[in-house]
Amino acid sequence: GDSVTQMEGPVTLSEEAFLTINCTYTATGYPSLFWYVQYPGEGLQLLLKATKADDKGSNKGFEATYRKETTSFHLEKGSVQVSDSAVYFCALFSSGGSYIPTFGRGTSLIVHP
Amino acid sequence: GAVVSQHPSRVICKSGTSVKIECRSLDFQATTMFWYRQFPKKSLMLMATSNEGSKATYEQGVEKDKFLINHASLTLSTLTVTSAHPEDSSFYICSAWREGSAFFGQGTRLTVV
Repeated sequence: GDSVTQMEGPVTLSEEAFLTINCTYTATGYPSLFWYVQYPGEGLQLLLKATKADDKGSNKGFEATYRKETTSFHLEKGSVQVSDSAVYFCALFSSGGSYIPTFGRGTSLIVHP
Repeated sequence: GAVVSQHPSRVICKSGTSVKIECRSLDFQATTMFWYRQFPKKSLMLMATSNEGSKATYEQGVEKDKFLINHASLTLSTLTVTSAHPEDSSFYICSAWREGSAFFGQGTRLTVV
């Protein structure tokens, strides 16, 4: 079945540091890939997505590129802020038409001033 | 702005009582909605798929008589936790699919005392 593997956290960085959160997946077909962010006490917010190989999703300074050859969708940001502290979830939706996503376990990011 | 609205955001109830959580799709019709449960520092656990006009589909291990789901209209799904017990205390999140992405409600923190 489909699966998503994220690096374990927490990831602790200083403000303005470079961020990478790794995400790899296994899936049949051609899934769509997503990053969601969850701030404390809130639901998940869609951060960015990519629907086909080599697509780059970007939003609020975050980027991720759909790499089919390495089955990866790593999240990056050049300069993190304290307000980026949250839990980040990588997810995939398989191309089979199911609306049920497969989530990674989530990676907590803590940014210190 | 919000695409999916969930209410209430927090609720405290006494053991043995029932609690209803609402999930609304804003400005779009959602024939299918999803209910998740999230334990502390854990990923989302899909509980059930709510289908407008028909019975919900529950994931294995989820008690359908305990977690009643009603999807009476194209913009509203409700989750009722019946005869709540302290172990039902959790963060419940709904989601709906729109334009190729899943959007999530703000979540409901249920505390059973």
